[in-house]
This record gives sequence, C-alpha cells and structure tokens, in this order.
Amino acid sequence: GAGVSQSPRYKVAKRGQDVALRCDPISGHVSLFWYQQALGQGPEFLTYFQNEAQLDKSGLPSDRFFAERPEGSVSTLKIQRTQQEDSAVYLCASSSPGQGQRNEQFFGPGTRLTVL
Amino acid sequence: GESVGLHLPTLSVQEGDNSIINCAYSNSASDYFIWYKQESGKGPQFIIDIRSNMDKRQGQRVTVLLNKTVKHLSLQIAATQPGDSAVYFCAENLGGSQGNLIFGKGTKLSVKP
Repeated sequence: GAGVSQSPRYKVAKRGQDVALRCDPISGHVSLFWYQQALGQGPEFLTYFQNEAQLDKSGLPSDRFFAERPEGSVSTLKIQRTQQEDSAVYLCASSSPGQGQRNEQFFGPGTRLTVL
Repeated sequence: GESVGLHLPTLSVQEGDNSIINCAYSNSASDYFIWYKQESGKGPQFIIDIRSNMDKRQGQRVTVLLNKTVKHLSLQIAATQPGDSAVYFCAENLGGSQGNLIFGKGTKLSVKP
C-alpha cells in the first residue's frame, strides 16, 4: 500500500481481555515503531524493530505488553489482561534507512483502544 | 472523531496571517528534530525536519528555526489557511540512527476564516 495501515481502527475490550493490534508498514521499510498516545497528549514510544529484531522495548509499560514482527514486515502489538489505563490510541510508524540520514517516520492512522 | 487537542495550549490566528508555534525540547544530545501535524482521528503527518547542524530550514509555506543554546524549536507557517487547523507536535531524536522520537506536548492551531 501507499502508507502505513493499522487494524482494527477501533477496539473496545472489557477489562481483563487480551487484544491484538496489527500494523502493516510501508513496503520495504526496515524500521518499525509503536507509540501510545493518550487523549490530549503527544505520542510516547513503546518499542522499535529493525527488520524482525526488536532492538528497543524500553517504552513498554508492563509485561502485559508484547510486540512481534516475525518476518520483518507486519507487526502485532498484543496487550494481555487489559486495564482501563491501557485506553489510548496506538500508533505504528515505519521508516527506511535507505533515505540517507533522514529519520522521517511515517505514521499510520492508529488504533483507538477503549477498555471498559 | 475524537479530538487530540484536549488540554493543549491553543493558538488562534486569522486566515492569511502568519503562525508561529514554539517548542522546548529536552535533551541537548538530540541531533534531529521533526514537526508533525495531527488532525483529529489521524496519525501524525510529517511537515518538516531539521538537523542539529542547521539553524533554519524552509519548506513550502513553513520554516523551522532551531536554537540549540536554549533548546528551542519554532515552526512558522506563512499565510495560514483553514486546512492548517490541527495539533502540531515537535519531536526530537537522540541519535543519528533509527531511534525512537520523543514528542513534545503539542499545540492546537485554530484558524479563523
């Protein structure tokens, strides 16, 4: 596709349920990032992949959060036993080191997660 | 769609005027900076970037100024249009490699016709 896509766009979960959020990066982009954006706030970094390797997961708020990118393309962010404080928009971004020194990250539309 | 602009500083300008949005960044080691525009219900959209070895960079209707001494960025939008209404975030990157971005708090720009 032309841009980063994410699915589902909206997800409502009952507290305690597990959810899985999908990100399809721009084809050929090596780097993939997940961010969490609370209402009225800027995005906050969760985790980063280069190809299939998860190079940084320092932003994951708890061990209930898990991300994978097994084939170096599509990525899934999984949240286990969701809590109300997990309610946020989850943004995925991709970038390509082939663009010289530019680190421009292209963002998807996000998945809005609401935990009841 | 839901608003991303709740509880954010707001700048209100008249259509056709110039806008200046300011941002203070946090880390003196940051060497790459980006301005993003975010409309309600959408992901951040790239506007312009600047590296730390520059003080100024111009794009189409936009200019970014970087003052490393006081760790300050500004985004200037010329001849502001209603379509410019959105929340604007500055973001910094600590290193030259493909690292994560640290976003500022954001400013909501409202353009009055």
